[in-house]
Amino acid sequence: GAVVSQHPSWVICKSGTSVKIECRSLDFQATTMFWYRQFPKQSLMLMATSNEGSKATYEQGVEKDKFLINHASLTLSTLTVTSAHPEDSSFYICSARLTGHLTEAFFGQGTRLTVV
Amino acid sequence: AQKVTQAQTEISVVEKEDVTLDCVYETRDTTYYLFWYKQPPSGELVFLIRRNSFDEQNEISGRYSWNFQKSTSSFNFTITASQVVDSAVYFCALSEADDKIIFGKGTRLHILP
Repeated sequence: GAVVSQHPSWVICKSGTSVKIECRSLDFQATTMFWYRQFPKQSLMLMATSNEGSKATYEQGVEKDKFLINHASLTLSTLTVTSAHPEDSSFYICSARLTGHLTEAFFGQGTRLTVV
Repeated sequence: AQKVTQAQTEISVVEKEDVTLDCVYETRDTTYYLFWYKQPPSGELVFLIRRNSFDEQNEISGRYSWNFQKSTSSFNFTITASQVVDSAVYFCALSEADDKIIFGKGTRLHILP
């Protein structure tokens, strides 16, 4: 099946720094990718929808200036957490859907971010 | 707006017992998709099933089975003869035409040896 690779799997950064997380669809093209955040023992909350070649659509309550999303190609979307703070520590998961196959969705393995 | 409710926050059963995880959804679309995912402690989401709104047939895959009932907006998941390896968090999810997958809060399942 289709594979979505997320990198890094985990990252520890200092408060105030920025962290970039990559999401790649390895064997298919994805015009749309989604970014989720999951706090411990909670559900996956959709942060934003990333569309190739256009601006991301953010869910209500998600700061677009803090969580920068870039979807420069059909196989790569990046999420940058800017000026990270301890409360941004979370598990971030991306999802990619096959172009032209609106029902299929594949998830990356997730990135565990710890801000100290 | 779409919504998924998993009323069972946590369930514990003894190994070999059957267990059913409930899922109730809300949507105004006539075309939608329902999913179940398993999330083991590693965090990675494991896809279990996808069902579109026009297919109400129940499905069985090994020890797993799903009961989709549009009349009650439910998509329940049953594990028969549970095993310790089934211990995980299980998420029910819904996708409408905008392709966003919205998750329920999940049910944490403990299978006791």
